[in-house]
Amino acid sequence: GAVVSQHPSRVICKSGTSVKIECRSLDFQATTMFWYRQFPKQSLMLMATSNEGSKATYEQGVEKDKFLINHASLTLSTLTVTSAHPEDSSFYICSAREGMEETQYFGPGTRLLVL
Amino acid sequence: KQEVTQIPAALSVPEGENLVLNCSFTDSAIYNLQWFRQDPGKGLTSLLLIQSSQREQTSGRLNASLDKSSGRSTLYIAASQPGDSATYLCAVAGNTPLVFGKGTRLSVIA
Repeated sequence: GAVVSQHPSRVICKSGTSVKIECRSLDFQATTMFWYRQFPKQSLMLMATSNEGSKATYEQGVEKDKFLINHASLTLSTLTVTSAHPEDSSFYICSAREGMEETQYFGPGTRLLVL
Repeated sequence: KQEVTQIPAALSVPEGENLVLNCSFTDSAIYNLQWFRQDPGKGLTSLLLIQSSQREQTSGRLNASLDKSSGRSTLYIAASQPGDSATYLCAVAGNTPLVFGKGTRLSVIA
C-alpha cells in the first residue's frame, strides 16, 4: 500500500523557536495533504488541507500565521510551527490523498514537546 | 456539523473473547467510514474502509458493519489477542473532511 513518512518523529524545542515537520508520500503523488493535531486522550483534529501548488485551507480556530503549511511538490508538504509555545506540544499527523481517491494514507506522526 | 461518537471509551477483555466496538455519527450523508488502529505514541493504521453503499467489510478477524440510515457502525473483533491492545478510531468522510471519534482504548489481557 501507499506509504507516507514524517520527519522528525520526535522533536523537543525551546519556547519561541520554530519547528518544521516534513510529510512525504513515498510511492504516489499526493495532490492533497492534510495536517492533524492530537492532544492526549483526544481525537485527531484537522488543522488544514493543502493542495499542491495552492495555499492551504485552515480550519476554524487554527492560526495560519502560526502554523505555516507549504505544499510545493506532489510528494512533500511541510508544517512549520512558528514561535512555538508549550501549549503547542502535541502529536502532529499528516495524511495524503492521490487525485480524487477517497482513501487517505497517514504518516506515523511527529511528537512535539515545547519546553 | 458531523459529530462522531465512540462507545465505550475504554474496554478490557480477557484473551480469546469476541468483542464489539461502536461508532455513531450524526449526519448520514457520508461517502465512507473508516476504522483505524493507533498504538500509543504512533500514527494511524487503516483497518477497514466501508463505502456508503456497502453494509460490511471483513479482514481476517475483523468485521466492520455500516448502517448509514441509523448513523451507526460496529467493529467486531473475533478471538481477541493481547496484540490487539490499542486505541481504535472510526472516522467518517462526507462533505466535510474526515471527522474522527475519540476512540476506544482496548486492552486484551493474557
